[in-house]
Amino acid sequence: AQSVTQLGSHVSVSEGALVLLRCNYSSSVPPYLFWYVQYPNQGLQLLLKYTSAATLVKGINGFEAEFKKSETSFHLTKPSAHMSDAAEYFCAVSSYNNNDMRFGAGTRLTVKP
Amino acid sequence: GAVVSQHPSRVICKSGTSVKIECRSLDFQATTMFWYRQFPKQSLMLMATSNEGSKATYEQGVEKDKFLINHASLTLSTLTVTSAHPEDSSFYICSAGKLGGVDYGYTFGSGTRLTVV
Repeated sequence: AQSVTQLGSHVSVSEGALVLLRCNYSSSVPPYLFWYVQYPNQGLQLLLKYTSAATLVKGINGFEAEFKKSETSFHLTKPSAHMSDAAEYFCAVSSYNNNDMRFGAGTRLTVKP
Repeated sequence: GAVVSQHPSRVICKSGTSVKIECRSLDFQATTMFWYRQFPKQSLMLMATSNEGSKATYEQGVEKDKFLINHASLTLSTLTVTSAHPEDSSFYICSAGKLGGVDYGYTFGSGTRLTVV
């Protein structure tokens, strides 16, 4: 079975500061890893995905994530937070066929002016 | 590309009635659609996997007779909450994957907030 653990249900940063949202995964097969963002009362938008190619993945809105197999991690970062980044972020893991995607509990990002 | 439309976005219904939620892939064919339920400030819980032309596969603990799923075409899946009760109030989200290739990371609908009174 696959699962992800997001460390920190709530992260608060100042505008312009580094954003770091943590995600660790557990998988018995090579994982495919994703980060999604959710704004209030909306669906999920894909930020980026790791699919066994480059370990450093760049996504939309200036976000990137690095797959580290030795640490079973896939942390999401952004060098400089913007007010519009305030949202809920979900890490997800699946196997090749995507029929078993599992989500983490989510991390709420707050950006202070 | 890869747009999924979910309708309605909000619905309020009386206890004991049924509600149908539609999930449409607008610009691609989706062989597989997923239905999730999300409680306030919580993550998404997969309810069922819907494959076009076949019966849905439900996750453990999800009542298939209560949450009826129909995936009659490659662009439409519906979730019907039958005999709704207040505890069914939640945010329901669908996602869809493309036909003919592996699409890593399915496209999500905008969600439906169901309130049962």
